[in-house]
Amino acid sequence: GAVVSQHPSWVICKSGTSVKIECRSLDFQATTMFWYRQFPKQSLMLMATSNEGSKATYEQGVEKDKFLINHASLTLSTLTVTSAHPEDSSFYICSAIEREVLEQFFGPGTRLTVL
Amino acid sequence: GQNIDQPTEMTATEGAIVQINCTYQTSGFNGLFWYQQHAGEAPTFLSYNVLDGLEEKGRFSSFLSRSKGYSYLLLKELQMKDSASYLCASMDSNYQLIWGAGTKLIIKP
Repeated sequence: GAVVSQHPSWVICKSGTSVKIECRSLDFQATTMFWYRQFPKQSLMLMATSNEGSKATYEQGVEKDKFLINHASLTLSTLTVTSAHPEDSSFYICSAIEREVLEQFFGPGTRLTVL
Repeated sequence: GQNIDQPTEMTATEGAIVQINCTYQTSGFNGLFWYQQHAGEAPTFLSYNVLDGLEEKGRFSSFLSRSKGYSYLLLKELQMKDSASYLCASMDSNYQLIWGAGTKLIIKP
C-alpha cells in the first residue's frame, strides 16, 4: 500500500524556537495533505488542509502565523511550528490523499516536546 | 517488520452486530487504537487497548490479545450512522503509529 513518512519522528526543542516537520508521500502523488494534532487518547484534531501549490486552509482556532504550512510539491508538505511553547507539545500527524484513487493514508506521527 | 491488516470492506444490516478484525506485527507494542472516520471528516477516537481483554463503551467494544497480535472492534445494534471507515492503528516502542488501511463498513436497512 501507499506510504506516508514523517520526519523527524521525535523532536525536543526549547521554548521560543521553531520546529519544522516534513510529511512525504513516498510512492504516490498527493493532491491534498492534512495536518492533525492529537492529545493522548483523544481524536485527531484537524489543523489544516494543504493543496499542492496553494495556500493551506486552516481550521477555526488554529493560528496560521504560528503553524506555517508549505505544500511545495505533490509529495512533500511541511509544518513549521514557530516560536514553540510547552502547550504546543503534542503528537502531529499528517495524511495524504492519493491523486489516482482518492484514498487517504496516514503518516506515523511526530512527537513534539517543547521544554 | 511492522505490519497491520484489516479487511477492506464489510457489509452489515441495521440492528445487527458486526466485528471488525485487525492483526498486527509491531515491535515494542505500546497499544492499539480504533478510530471511526466518516467521509470528508477527521478520524474520531473510539478506543485504546494496551492490556489483554475486552473494553466496552456503549454499543462499541474493543478486544485485544497481545500474544496473538490481534484486536477486534465490535459494534452492536448497528445504526445507519455507523456507516464509516474504521481504522486500527498500533503504536510501536517509539510511539509511532502504524496505520491499517481502514475497513469501510456499509450498513444496509
